[in-house]
Amino acid sequence: DSGVTQTPKHLITATGQRVTLRCSPRSGDLSVYWYQQSLDQGLQFLIQYYNGEERAKGNILERFSAQQFPDLHSELNLSSLELGDSALYFCASSVAGGLEETQYFGPGTRLLVL
Amino acid sequence: DQQVKQNSPSLSVQEGRISILNCDYTNSMFDYFLWYKKYPAEGPTFLISISSIKDKNEDGRFTVFLNKSAKHLSLHIVPSQPGDSAVYFCAAKDTGGFKTIFGAGTRLFVKA
Repeated sequence: DSGVTQTPKHLITATGQRVTLRCSPRSGDLSVYWYQQSLDQGLQFLIQYYNGEERAKGNILERFSAQQFPDLHSELNLSSLELGDSALYFCASSVAGGLEETQYFGPGTRLLVL
Repeated sequence: DQQVKQNSPSLSVQEGRISILNCDYTNSMFDYFLWYKKYPAEGPTFLISISSIKDKNEDGRFTVFLNKSAKHLSLHIVPSQPGDSAVYFCAAKDTGGFKTIFGAGTRLFVKA
C-alpha cells in the first residue's frame, strides 16, 4: 500500500460525458502527478501540482483539467469523452517534486468510454 | 516522439538466472533515471534509480547500469525469482525534474 488513494477504481461512461477522478496523496506529500496509461503504452505524464499550484504540464488535452485543493487532494476532470480516452489513470505523489524524489503511485482508476 | 524506449515488450527467464532489461533514451538533458515495477491491478512501485553522474547503482538483487555516451541503461536482476514477474518501466527526468518520461514497459516472466 503506497498510501496514495484513488477513487473510483472503475468508471464506465459514454462518449461526450464528463467524469472526475479523485486522488488523495500520501500524508505529508505536497506534490501530485497525473498519468495516463493507454493499452500497451507507457505512462504518459499529464500534469503536476505542488501545494495547490500547477508546476508542470505534459501531454494533457484541452478537454482535461486538474486542480489541487487546499487539503492537497487532487481531481482530474475529463470532459467531452471520446473512445480513445479509455485508459488507466494514475495519480502519484511525492514530498516536494524534486529531481531525486520517489513518486508513490496509487492503484489507478480504470476508465472505459463506450 | 518517444524519448524513452524499451524495445523488448517481453522477456522470459528461468528462475535463478539473470534478467537484463534494457532502455534507450534520446534526450541528453535527462539527469536522473528510474526503474519502476508494476503488478497487475496495482500502481507502479519504485525499484531503483541512478543519477547521471554515476554509471552503476546496486540494491540487493537489482543493479542499474548507465552508459551516457550510448544513452542506454539496463536493469539486472540476479538471481531472478518468480515473484519478479511483472512489468518493468524505465523512466527519466530532466534537470528541471518536474516531468518524468516513461518507457512503454517490458513484461518479465520468471519461470520456476
